[in-house]
Formats: sequence, C-alpha cells, structure tokens
Amino acid sequence: QVQLVQSGADVKKPGASVKVSCKVSGYTLTELSMHWVRQAPGRGFEWMGGFHPEDGETIYAEQFQGRVTMTEDTFTDTAYMDLGSLTSEDTAVYYCAASPRSGYYKVPFDYWGQGTLVTVSS
Amino acid sequence: QSVLTQPPSVSGAPGQRVTISCTGSSSNIGASYDVHWYQQLPGTAPKLLISGDNIRPSGVPDRFSGSKSGTSASLAITGLQAEDEADYYCQSYDNSLSGSWVFGGGTKLTVL
Repeated sequence: QVQLVQSGADVKKPGASVKVSCKVSGYTLTELSMHWVRQAPGRGFEWMGGFHPEDGETIYAEQFQGRVTMTEDTFTDTAYMDLGSLTSEDTAVYYCAASPRSGYYKVPFDYWGQGTLVTVSS
Repeated sequence: QSVLTQPPSVSGAPGQRVTISCTGSSSNIGASYDVHWYQQLPGTAPKLLISGDNIRPSGVPDRFSGSKSGTSASLAITGLQAEDEADYYCQSYDNSLSGSWVFGGGTKLTVL
C-alpha cells in the first residue's frame, strides 16, 4: 500500500520561506516521479513542479521558477518542497503527488499526500 | 482562471446520469495529451478516478467513465449515489511556453 505522509500545518510571515516534507512508504522514492501541487482556499489546483524521469531533472512551473526548490532524500524516501519569498497569495494547501509509471506527459498523479496547510500572515 | 474550463456545478437525483465537461485547447487536450479525472471529497486529498482519458483504476466503480473528442473531455457518472457528492477536476498536460500540467477549475456535484 503506497502512502505519502506530509508534514504538519505551518504559519509563516511574509517574506519567509517554508519547507514541506513528503515521506513515502510502499515504494522507494526512486521508483516514483514526484510532483507538488497547491490549492488555495476555495480554488482549483496549481501545479508547481515535478520530476521528469526521462530527462532526470525537476521541472518547475514558470510562475514559481527562482522561488521554489524540490529535493529528494533517497535514504529516507522523503521529498521536500521549499518555497521562498512568501506572500499572502501563497496561503494554500500544498500536496505532494506521485506516479510509479514510466513516461511524463501521459501519466496521472496516482497517489497524493494528505496535504499541508501553509498560512502566510503577518 | 484555469487553463481547462469546467462548469462550476452540476446536480442530479439519485440514480440519474450526469456529465461534467472539460474544455481545453490545441496546446493541451487538442494536442492529444491524456486527460485524467480526480474526485475530491470535502476536506480530503484528491483521488484518481479516470486516467488516460477513459481508464478506471482498480476499485473505481464502472459507474464512472471518461471520453475525449477534439479539445474537450467528459466525465460521466451513471446511477448517481449520495456518496458521489464531491468536487471533480480534470487534468492534462499543456505544451505552451515551457510546458506544464494544468487542471480544470473543478465542478461541484450535488446529489439532490
């Protein structure tokens, strides 16, 4: 049974950074392509970036480039998403989502973490 | 504003059939990228409902089906049940600019 377990809710001040973790079980991290998606209150989903297995690199959505870093610790099977220069517009639930399938442009996000609420407030 | 367009809400009585549309463009659905559908129950993470336009993952009832034509896709739910009340989202890949995964704005299904 695949599980993605994320870190708990966090509150940050404008201008700060936040780091969200996503612990994988049931698969090793190297068997998965990990993505990060966020959902602002009452809004839809926004893809932030993800791992491209064929290219072997992480692709970031244009609107987050320079402000987000996604890393992986294969020893602990934990993925991390670090988002900096936070503003109130970054208040959202952040999800890790993964697929064990090959390919990048066709595969769905089979498994999702439970979500981490990040609140940005002064 | 979402790249993929869905109706904000649909409703139906138990036992009825409802459809949810997802309209894209030539850089996503129309470029033959697969469409995936997710169900999100209140306060929970999304669950994969349909992949590859019309493939149900193991455990998803055959009441749920997907289709695609041109720049649009649809999710159909037959034999509507109370537990189907949820938000539904479509997803595809978009090759404009540097490329990205895109989602619809979501459709709230109400079972009357």
